[in-house]
Amino acid sequence: DTGVSQDPRHKITKRGQNVTFRCDPISEHNRLYWYRQTLGQGPEFLTYFQNEAQLEKSRLLSDRFSAERPKGSFSTLEIQRTEQGDSAMYLCASSPQLGTKPYEQYFGPGTRLTVT
Amino acid sequence: QKEVEQNSGPLSVPEGAIASLNCTYSDRGSQSFFWYRQYSGKSPELIMSIYSNGDKEDGRFTAQLNKASQYVSLLIRDSQPSDSATYLCAVKVIKAAGNKLTFGGGTRVLVKP
Repeated sequence: DTGVSQDPRHKITKRGQNVTFRCDPISEHNRLYWYRQTLGQGPEFLTYFQNEAQLEKSRLLSDRFSAERPKGSFSTLEIQRTEQGDSAMYLCASSPQLGTKPYEQYFGPGTRLTVT
Repeated sequence: QKEVEQNSGPLSVPEGAIASLNCTYSDRGSQSFFWYRQYSGKSPELIMSIYSNGDKEDGRFTAQLNKASQYVSLLIRDSQPSDSATYLCAVKVIKAAGNKLTFGGGTRVLVKP
């Protein structure tokens, strides 16, 4: 049973550039989440997918952020016109819909974004 | 008032002692509670989940939940240097379409040999 994977693990970009991150959830999990974590803080929720449907978005997710999960498998998170305030660890998590532990979320290794 | 509050620490405990971590939450609709361990530079790792009042034990970890007091705690028995990490409390509120976890800021634990 492979865990959640994310790519890339690190990304350094210049302000104003666009970046895209990928997340592959645990194969039998149909729920997928994106969080953002800055130093010294807990993760903050960004958005949630059930299969291919994006069911919830945080107010943190400005118009520059977009997420997709086109076939209900992997997901991408794109940030357009990056700003220095976007520098953070971007975490993806997945959970099963059914079963005894439907709300337990398992995190991938994260993508650390640095905007210079 | 933050939705989920934790003492940031650091909580320093000698090796072999019990580490006691506390978490309070504000939303009485919260129904699922989780503890994650996060090593520096790594992602959160789920170590405990608890859904009903009382204690739940798993190895050296015990989670305690008191919904009336809106309080959840984590005990780490026989603390080891490898337990040195930040422990995140997370809460899920059962809403119509929401499944997000709300995290506290974490408690940093230092286990000294």
